[in-house]
Amino acid sequence: EAGVAQSPRYKIIEKRQSVAFWCNPISGHATLYWYQQILGQGPKLLIQFQNNGVVDDSQLPKDRFSAERLKGVDSTLKIQPAKLEDSAVYLCASSFSAEQYFGPGTRLTVT
Amino acid sequence: GQQLNQSPQSMFIQEGEDVSMNCTSSSIFNTWLWYKQDPGEGPVLLIALYKAGELTSNGRLTAQFGITRKDSFLNISASIPSDVGIYFCAGRGSNYQLIWGAGTKLIIKP
Repeated sequence: EAGVAQSPRYKIIEKRQSVAFWCNPISGHATLYWYQQILGQGPKLLIQFQNNGVVDDSQLPKDRFSAERLKGVDSTLKIQPAKLEDSAVYLCASSFSAEQYFGPGTRLTVT
Repeated sequence: GQQLNQSPQSMFIQEGEDVSMNCTSSSIFNTWLWYKQDPGEGPVLLIALYKAGELTSNGRLTAQFGITRKDSFLNISASIPSDVGIYFCAGRGSNYQLIWGAGTKLIIKP
């Protein structure tokens, strides 16, 4: 069974630029999550989708972050404009039940 | 809000030693999950616990769901070099949101 796929793996941008991350969840997983992980910390949930609907986006900085899951499968997370403090690993996870399975993450560096 | 306290923050271990780490919560959880994260990778699910008192093993790893439903423990027996990494606990309460610990970093003594 293929795992959660994410791309790109690494991205370096300058502040005020925009960036987008892509995630393809495990086949059949209705729930998809985007997390932000700062070095030395646990993952922080940004947004949770159930199929193509948003379940929880309470911690998403909506002035600069947006996410969509139009067909209930793939998802994209966008940051526009990026700030220095957005430097982190962005993890995508999917689940069928309580158990969440993670992709390898995208390491974003904002200079 | 719900908080998870994971300890210890880091551990230096000799190869062959047993390792214990735990997580405690300020509120009750219905599910406990334990993950391991290697550098440059996403967390990998090790063990999932669904019932108070449940004891589950995965090879040399054993985890328990505390009776009070506010804590969980992970033990690693006879540690080997590939056990090095960061271990996270995560608990899910009645609101279905997953709350994460800050991680326990396992380091092998030279």
